[in-house]
Amino acid sequence: RKEVEQDPGPFNVPEGATVAFNCTYSNSASQSFFWYRQDCRKEPKLLMSVYSSGNEDGRFTAQLNRASQYISLLIRDSKLSDSATYLCVVNDPLADNTDKLIFGTGTRLQVFP
Amino acid sequence: GAVVSQHPSWVICKSGTSVKIECRSLDFQATTMFWYRQFPKQSLMLMATSNEGSKATYEQGVEKDKFLINHASLTLSTLTVTSAHPEDSSFYICSAGSGQGYSNEQFFGPGTRLTVL
Repeated sequence: RKEVEQDPGPFNVPEGATVAFNCTYSNSASQSFFWYRQDCRKEPKLLMSVYSSGNEDGRFTAQLNRASQYISLLIRDSKLSDSATYLCVVNDPLADNTDKLIFGTGTRLQVFP
Repeated sequence: GAVVSQHPSWVICKSGTSVKIECRSLDFQATTMFWYRQFPKQSLMLMATSNEGSKATYEQGVEKDKFLINHASLTLSTLTVTSAHPEDSSFYICSAGSGQGYSNEQFFGPGTRLTVL
């Protein structure tokens, strides 16, 4: 079983649509959770951290369910510029270094006019 | 956020040559930097953790004698791909954490695209 699993997509949605991505992680001891965005041939950029209480940043809402080891990202009112790959990321609780991260394979989103 | 630079942004080399990639934290000190590799349509895979002033910690399956890491200062880590072969062609990305414990953001460099002919 992969440590961080995501549906690879692609998700093809029209502008204005709402789209949701899901992610599961295998180690219940993970403490930090993130969504990163990666554009084609570019480095990942942090989209948002994910907190137990859920958090929202504009059109983006992230949820964490520790009991189910499940993380979600909801994008409302999709824009063409949202087209990218979205990476689910968790920290590695087994690592000596608390900064060590484990990346999912990403979910590709394509927003069309 | 903090800025991390990488140089070069892309490199094409002949098989058997060595390539050095630099990763710099421009506006903060990074005691730890991470080196990743990403093949097309795959996720980032951690290769090694670079520790300032000490030896790097390599992930399982990564040859330490082939991928030499040096972290000589708090703002610079280098990755040298020795005797590169076509299968080493990939996107190499470094990152640095702020060192505040859990819930750290990692700041990524723009990546280096290596093509070995």
